[in-house]
Amino acid sequence: SQQGEEDPQALSIQEGENATMNCSYKTSINNLQWYRQNSGRGLVHLILIRSNEREKHSGRLRVTLDTSKKSSSLLITASRAADTASYFCATDAVTDSWGKLQFGAGTQVVVTP
Amino acid sequence: DARVTQTPRDKVTEMGQEVTMRCQPILGHNTVFWYRQTMMQGLELLAYFRNRAPLDDSGMPKDRFSAEMPDATLATLKIQPSEPRDSAVYFCASGLPGQGEGYTFGSGTRLTVV
Repeated sequence: SQQGEEDPQALSIQEGENATMNCSYKTSINNLQWYRQNSGRGLVHLILIRSNEREKHSGRLRVTLDTSKKSSSLLITASRAADTASYFCATDAVTDSWGKLQFGAGTQVVVTP
Repeated sequence: DARVTQTPRDKVTEMGQEVTMRCQPILGHNTVFWYRQTMMQGLELLAYFRNRAPLDDSGMPKDRFSAEMPDATLATLKIQPSEPRDSAVYFCASGLPGQGEGYTFGSGTRLTVV
């Protein structure tokens, strides 16, 4: 079963705009991770945020985590056409075997020039 | 950059045939995963290993699927007999949980069962 659910399912923006997507999950976590997937091949790890962290940055990416609401958000600033991809959140749940990662359904992002 | 290598990249097979997918995890990674991705079900965790020992294969249809790690450099996923509903992209991933880093995914094996 999928632990995380992303919202929205799809997002279409223009280059230069910011893209925000959200992830909600059901049970307590050790950490939450975001991945990007281009064209149905090979997921690429973007960022990991631990349960005791509230915000993390990596380049144009900003991730927040609110454990009280069991939710996370991924912000991509100044988007580029190359950011067109599907974005997935994945959770390492406390109740699962340590390190076991379960993925949400993903948000499909299209950035038009 | 170190990478996870999966073979074959694409596989077309007839229903009833045995299919074996292989994965070479990154050297030094102690955790290996097998995921299946379809449009309908998304990314499903099939099995995962730590230090070559199976930890959880509850997501795997036991009657036809099997996953093994004969050594630290090779993980295999076998389907016997294959069925059209097994058509999907199968991903292998490896990593070191607890190090603050995510997992590295292979490029996947696209399986089509006709």
